Amino acid sequence: KAGVTQTPRYLIKTRGQQVTLSCSPISGHRSVSWYQQTPGQGLQFLFEYFSETQRNKGNFPGRFSGRQFSNSRSEMNVSTLELGDSALYLCASSLREFAGELFFGEGSRLTVL
Amino acid sequence: QQQVKQSPQSLIVQKGGISIINCAYENTAFDYFPWYQQFPGKGPALLIAIRPDVSEKKEGRFTISFNKSAKQFSLHIMDSQPGDSATYFCAASAGTGANNLFFGTGTRLTVIP
Repeated sequence: KAGVTQTPRYLIKTRGQQVTLSCSPISGHRSVSWYQQTPGQGLQFLFEYFSETQRNKGNFPGRFSGRQFSNSRSEMNVSTLELGDSALYLCASSLREFAGELFFGEGSRLTVL
Repeated sequence: QQQVKQSPQSLIVQKGGISIINCAYENTAFDYFPWYQQFPGKGPALLIAIRPDVSEKKEGRFTISFNKSAKQFSLHIMDSQPGDSATYFCAASAGTGANNLFFGTGTRLTVIP
């Protein structure tokens, strides 16, 4: 069974631009969560989607948004990029909501110059 | 505010030895406590998890010990191997926010042959 697939794996943007990251969950998994990983702040929860609805949201500004499609694939968008947005963005899928058992992808590494 | 505190930050163990990583939490609503293993360039992978109705859970060489009254839990890696060298994260979540994991800051484990 294929794991969680994230694209692109690496990208470089400049301040003020926006970026869209994509995530394909494990087949059959309906919940998708997004996390940001940085050396300073560690792993932080961004948001979770289940059945195309946002279920939970972390403490991030409105520049960070996401959505989920009917096939459970998800995208997250960061607008008006700041230098501090440089991070590894990780997508995780779960069989159902409230499961707690997350399967992570390898992440999309974003560098903001 | 770090909801889950993890120690030590780094750990060096001889091959065959026992690696012990400790975590503490304050939020008594937490009811799911997983441990993740992360290799460089990869996403975190679920190792083992426990719920507060049991005090210990063992899977192969990995054991979680859980002390509900002290609000502490720990990971023991028996017979540590060089292939166990990775960063380990403890985490916690609660109820309907189960997929919203609060991660510890990580422990970089190095197992010396």
